[in-house]
Amino acid sequence: AQSVSQHNHHVILSEAASLELGCNYSYGGTVNLFWYVQYPGQHLQLLLKYFSGDPLVKGIKGFEAEFIKSKFSFNLRKPSVQWSDTAEYFCAVNARGNNRLAFGKGNQVVVIP
Amino acid sequence: GAGVSQSPSNKVTEKGKDVELRCDPISGHTALYWYRQSLGQGLEFLIYFQGNSAPDKSGLPSDRFSAERTGGSVSTLTIQRTQQEDSAVYLCASRPGGAVETQYFGPGTRLLVL
Repeated sequence: AQSVSQHNHHVILSEAASLELGCNYSYGGTVNLFWYVQYPGQHLQLLLKYFSGDPLVKGIKGFEAEFIKSKFSFNLRKPSVQWSDTAEYFCAVNARGNNRLAFGKGNQVVVIP
Repeated sequence: GAGVSQSPSNKVTEKGKDVELRCDPISGHTALYWYRQSLGQGLEFLIYFQGNSAPDKSGLPSDRFSAERTGGSVSTLTIQRTQQEDSAVYLCASRPGGAVETQYFGPGTRLLVL
């Protein structure tokens, strides 16, 4: 079964700082990879996804993620965060042919103005 | 178009009572999922429906939990004899058919068992 690890559950940083959230998964086969975001008081929404092709994926609001197959990682990055990026971020993995998403425990990110 | 909707948005119940949570998926989406999000935890898969196929119930934590999907659309998650550890946000998601698609999440039902 696939599993997903996210480290540093709580992240506090200042505006304009760079953000990187780690995501590692355990599954040896082909996977689809996702980052979801949950802003305060809102429901989960897709930030970006990787199915195939270019391993560097661009998402909404200036976020990007890089799939490194050899490291089983899909880290999320943003060069310069804003206060509005305060949210909880979840990495999720779907093994090809499996209809489930396996989620990490999330990263609570607080951006201080 | 309309997204996934869930009701109620909040539910407070007493230990031992039964509760029903409802999910209306996006029209035309054939797949429907239920997840549970507990404080400090990620999303825990509960159950998956795909069209007319038998549901994947392997994520249900106990036999107190059950779900059905009527007419391939609306789904109801039922928790019988609720316990305090059932307190969580219950999320529903739907997606179109096909193997590689994104799930669209509803706002969730926040359940508190006293």
